[in-house]
Amino acid sequence: AQSVTQLDSHVSVSEGTPVLLRCNYSSSYSPSLFWYVQHPNKGLQLLLKYTSAATLVKGINGFEAEFKKSETSFHLTKPSAHMSDAAEYFCVVSDNYGQNFVFGPGTRLSVLP
Amino acid sequence: EPEVTQTPSHQVTQMGQEVILRCVPISNHLYFYWYRQILGQKVEFLVSFYNNEISEKSEIFDDQFSVERPDGSNFTLKIRSTKLEDSAMYFCASSLSGGDGETQYFGPGTRLLVL
Repeated sequence: AQSVTQLDSHVSVSEGTPVLLRCNYSSSYSPSLFWYVQHPNKGLQLLLKYTSAATLVKGINGFEAEFKKSETSFHLTKPSAHMSDAAEYFCVVSDNYGQNFVFGPGTRLSVLP
Repeated sequence: EPEVTQTPSHQVTQMGQEVILRCVPISNHLYFYWYRQILGQKVEFLVSFYNNEISEKSEIFDDQFSVERPDGSNFTLKIRSTKLEDSAMYFCASSLSGGDGETQYFGPGTRLLVL
């Protein structure tokens, strides 16, 4: 069975500094991996996804993530945080049928002025 | 940009009452899902639905739960007799296909409170 670990429940950065949100997964086969973001009172919005193509994936709003099979990681990064990035971020793995998304517990990102 | 919508945004009900949560998926999508998130816990898969049938369900999705696509646009989750532990945020999602790596598009959620 798949599982997802997000090592930090809360990350706080200053505006203009880099963001790193960590995600490790467990899967018995080559997974598909996603990062979703949830702003208050909004739905879950897809940031980016990995589906066995390029290991460095670029998403919206300047975010990117690198799939590292040897480390079973899919960390999310952004070079420079913006106030509007403050939200909850979820790392997700899908099973081989694609129908059952397994969510990580989420990381709340705070951006300080 | 098309999006998934859900109604109501909030619902308060008494234990033992029936509730119906409604979702309008993206119009050309064929696969539909319900997830829930109990406060402070992970988002959990409940059920997936395709071609008017449940295609997969989790252990959470017991006989108290049912899903339906009553017309060409709505997708509903019914809880027959609510329990206190059903209090959660319920998310609907849809996808164009059900294959590996297919993106699921989520609605804003319905926050259900059972008293």
